[in-house]
Amino acid sequence: GESVGLHLPTLSVQEGDNSIINCAYSNSASDYFIWYKQESGKGPQFIIDIRSNMDKRQGQRVTVLLNKTVKHLSLQIAATQPGDSAVYFCAENKGHAGGTSYGKLTFGQGTILTVHP
Amino acid sequence: DTGVSQDPRHKITKRGQNVTFRCDPISEHNRLYWYRQTLGQGPEFLTYFQNEAQLEKSRLLSDRFSAERPKGSFSTLEIQRTEQGDSAMYLCASSFLGLAGGLEQFFGPGTRLTVL
Repeated sequence: GESVGLHLPTLSVQEGDNSIINCAYSNSASDYFIWYKQESGKGPQFIIDIRSNMDKRQGQRVTVLLNKTVKHLSLQIAATQPGDSAVYFCAENKGHAGGTSYGKLTFGQGTILTVHP
Repeated sequence: DTGVSQDPRHKITKRGQNVTFRCDPISEHNRLYWYRQTLGQGPEFLTYFQNEAQLEKSRLLSDRFSAERPKGSFSTLEIQRTEQGDSAMYLCASSFLGLAGGLEQFFGPGTRLTVL
């Protein structure tokens, strides 16, 4: 079946370190991926996205890497700060499905990132 | 605030009661999505609209659930005869799907439903 999952449910780092959060997906038809950050009691916050025709995309302090060969997605956070502590979700979208394009997102379970000062 | 807004933020109800949630998307976004999230899990897709049209519904959306977006702007999600298993965070998201892309979905703060 199709699924989007995470290798590590929790990640604990020191302030200033780089963080890497991993995600595996099983549906080779997926062609759009997003990373979200969710703080307690809030809705998911968009971080960065990538399409399947790319293997890397950079934002401010964040980089997403996509390896389609092994169906793996990662989020790298540079110089992690205490404010980065949250649950991080990867999500996938299969592009065209049922005649419509880019509808629902399928989310993984999430990784809890804790940043220690 | 020009983000997605949801009302109410919290709702406590007794089993068997009906509840209705409202979502106001980002202005001019043509797509609106509803998701449900339980503790420790990622959001699960329920349904989405493009303008007024409801384009897809999840199998999670039982007959007790109904969603509308009558004028292509705000949307309502109604749950009839609530059950304790309906307790969750109900999230709304919006996006603008156009020729230039705009695939990213922006989420609101959610409505936390507790069914006693």
